Amino acid sequence: EIVMTQSPATLSVSPGERATLSCRASQSVTSNLAWYQQKPGQAPRLLIFDASTRATGIPARFSGSGSGTEFTLTISSLQSEDFAVYYCQQYNNWPRTFGQGTKLEIK
Amino acid sequence: VQLLDSGGGLVQPGGSLRLSCAASGFTFSNFALSWVRQAPGKGLEWVSAISNSGGSTYYADSVKGRFTISRDNSKNTLYLQMNSLRAEDTAVFYCAKGDYYESSGHYLLAFDVWGQGTMVTVSS
Repeated sequence: EIVMTQSPATLSVSPGERATLSCRASQSVTSNLAWYQQKPGQAPRLLIFDASTRATGIPARFSGSGSGTEFTLTISSLQSEDFAVYYCQQYNNWPRTFGQGTKLEIK
Repeated sequence: VQLLDSGGGLVQPGGSLRLSCAASGFTFSNFALSWVRQAPGKGLEWVSAISNSGGSTYYADSVKGRFTISRDNSKNTLYLQMNSLRAEDTAVFYCAKGDYYESSGHYLLAFDVWGQGTMVTVSS
């Protein structure tokens, strides 16, 4: 099983600032890496797939990078609606696995 | 494009429950589907997946031998039969749309559409 490790567990950032979230895979997942956003009481929403492609309707302030085992989600200028929990997930191998999540909170 | 989960509820330890996920707005028989769960206050855990035809199924170790995933392409519906339920199975269960299949191949995809979730509570 591929273990996905996210860091940090919690990130405190002020609105308008940049946030950088990291995700590491225990073995290569090539570019088969997705990022999801989840708000309380809601289903997860796909933000980024194939490591760097924004899903439909996702604002340009969200960007993804990386390949192999190291990945990054960057939110360039945080808006109030961006404070949520973010998960990375690999879909290169079975079982599909998620990171433990990064909670992005208002500083 | 929509997935609608249903079938959750309160069940005693050792009991059974069947979840359903009704799909609309896409060609159901071209896509793999998964179940993903989230225990209260915890992260996301992938549970099971089934290929477009139903010919291949996959399970997390935590549910192998207890849960069975299936689909009815004539009804555009996904199922999860859960037996021998334990307290640690308490979670919101989501269905999610994934990999794409066509005659030219199998394409690995992220979960781009999710159901709204159905709560399963295992308690005496």
